[in-house]
Amino acid sequence: GNSVTQMEGPVTLSEEAFLTINCTYTATGYPSLFWYVQYPGEGLQLLLKATKADDKGSNKGFEATYRKETTSFHLEKGSVQVSDSAVYFCALLYSNDYKLSFGAGTTVTVRA
Amino acid sequence: NAGVTQTPKFQVLKTGQSMTLQCAQDMNHNSMYWYRQDPGMGLRLIYYSASEGTTDKGEVPNGYNVSRLNKREFSLRLESAAPSQTSVYFCASSGRGRNSPLHFGNGTRLTVT
Repeated sequence: GNSVTQMEGPVTLSEEAFLTINCTYTATGYPSLFWYVQYPGEGLQLLLKATKADDKGSNKGFEATYRKETTSFHLEKGSVQVSDSAVYFCALLYSNDYKLSFGAGTTVTVRA
Repeated sequence: NAGVTQTPKFQVLKTGQSMTLQCAQDMNHNSMYWYRQDPGMGLRLIYYSASEGTTDKGEVPNGYNVSRLNKREFSLRLESAAPSQTSVYFCASSGRGRNSPLHFGNGTRLTVT
């Protein structure tokens, strides 16, 4: 069936370190892929998205490339800040549907 | 900008009690959703409403009912709460178009004892 698997956390980094959170998916057809971020005490908000193969989504210094050949959508940021501490969710929208399916979430803590 | 507003923010229930979680959006969105968030499980869809007047089950609908009262409001009801329903509940809405992003409320933390 269709599913999203993302790297387990928690992840703890120092400021200015490189961050990668892995996300892979299984799906029939051509899904759209998303990263959402949840800051403490808040709801989720869209970070970036990619709607077709080889698309790169980017926002706030984060990037993710839709790789159909490896069914992946890994999130990267070159230099994290304390304010990037949050829970990050990979999500998939099936090509024949409009309901998002979320991964389990990865908690990231950035220390000064 | 209010966006998606959920009430209450916190609630404690005893097993068997009932309650309704309220959600309203002011973005004129057609679609609305209820998710629950549990540690290690991400967000799971309970019910959704693709448009005013329609509702459909998601992944985990058992023990819940919903009402799309009008275009703005989408409520979630627990008729007889169980400890397994202890969770954080999020309401979300989205506009037209398959890839329209979801806008989330800040959540309701529910504890059932």
